[in-house]
Formats: sequence, C-alpha cells, structure tokens
Amino acid sequence: DAGITQSPRHKVTETGTPVTLRCHQTENHRYMYWYRQDPGHGLRLIHYSYGVKDTDKGEVSDGYSVSRSKTEDFLLTLESATSSQTSVYFCATLRADTQYFGPGTRLTVL
Amino acid sequence: QQQVKQSPQSLIVQKGGISIINCAYENTAFDYFPWYQQFPGKGPALLIAIRPDVSEKKEGRFTISFNKSAKQFSLHIMDSQPGDSATYFCAASMSGATNKLIFGTGTLLAVQP
Repeated sequence: DAGITQSPRHKVTETGTPVTLRCHQTENHRYMYWYRQDPGHGLRLIHYSYGVKDTDKGEVSDGYSVSRSKTEDFLLTLESATSSQTSVYFCATLRADTQYFGPGTRLTVL
Repeated sequence: QQQVKQSPQSLIVQKGGISIINCAYENTAFDYFPWYQQFPGKGPALLIAIRPDVSEKKEGRFTISFNKSAKQFSLHIMDSQPGDSATYFCAASMSGATNKLIFGTGTLLAVQP
C-alpha cells in the first residue's frame, strides 16, 4: 500500500465544465506525479511536483493545471473539460527511485 | 529519443508456459528500468526493476534480462499462471532530480488454464 488515495474514483462531467481531481498521500513524499492512461498509449505524464508550490509540466500538460499547497495533497484541474480528456488518471509518489501509484480516477467527459 | 517501445501488444500463453515481453529504448541516459503489473480497475504496481550495471535480475518466477549495447530489456515470466493475467508495462527513467517515468504502451497477458 503506497498510502495514496485519489478522489473521486469515478466522475462523469460535461464538456466545458471545470473538474478537480485530488491525490492525497500519507507518507510525506516530496515528489508527486499525475499521469493519464489511455488504450494504446500506456501512461503519460501530465504534471509533477517536487515540493510544496513547486510543479512542472510533463509530456501532455495542455489543458491541465496543478497545485500543491501542502505536502500531502496534489490537485489536478481541468479548467474546461473536453471529450479528449476522458481517461483514467493516476497519481504517484516517489520513494527510493520507485514510483508508487494510487488506485486511479476514471473521468468521462460527455 | 524519449520513447520506450514495447511488444507484443497482447500475448496468450498456456498455464505453465513462459511469457516474454520486450522493450527497447533510445535514450542512453536512462538508468532505471522498472516493470509494472496492472490488474483491471487497479493502479500499476511495481513488479521488478533493474539498473544497467547488471544483465539479469530474478525475483521468484519473474526475470528481467537487460542488454545495454542493444538498448533492450525484457520480462520473462516462468511457469505462467492464470493469476498472472494482467497488463504489463515497461518503463524507463533517469534517476536523480525528477525520476520521470517514460512508459511503454503495455502488453495484455492472458494465461489460459
């Protein structure tokens, strides 16, 4: 158990609405990551954080923003959701060069 | 140069057989190569990982073979069991500041009883 929870676990929303996904960790890890998983693409990095208020872009960051106001929480926001953002989103933390993943959030944008 | 290419996309193996999944990379700066196992509805879980200073690493029925000169690495699952049926992802990263993982596209393994 990586001590990671994600909320919500499932969400259905409409195009154009804002959506925020939450990742919460209990082990005080410095690094946190957001990935999206799509068939045929594996997992792709959206944004990552290397400390409170320290974030950077990943491979597929367009349309996403993140915030980390405290060590335990890393938020992913879709400012105006689009159908192309329908995906499964995973959060991960880093411990000794290894990333440990949360259970995921399935997001459907109609 | 940041890609990790994984094959096959899907694999069917009989119980007791050997499952082999292959990955190739381009960036010689990668120095950490994990394999993740993912069951439906779950997050990926670390299965086994290797660094380029060794050519093979074994943990139980799972073995990583690493060929630095060819920039290839593979996962072998010996005595495959139905419970091994899952999606497997190879990945690569440069350890250090950010440890960002580059994932392969995944292999769906089905072990038939």
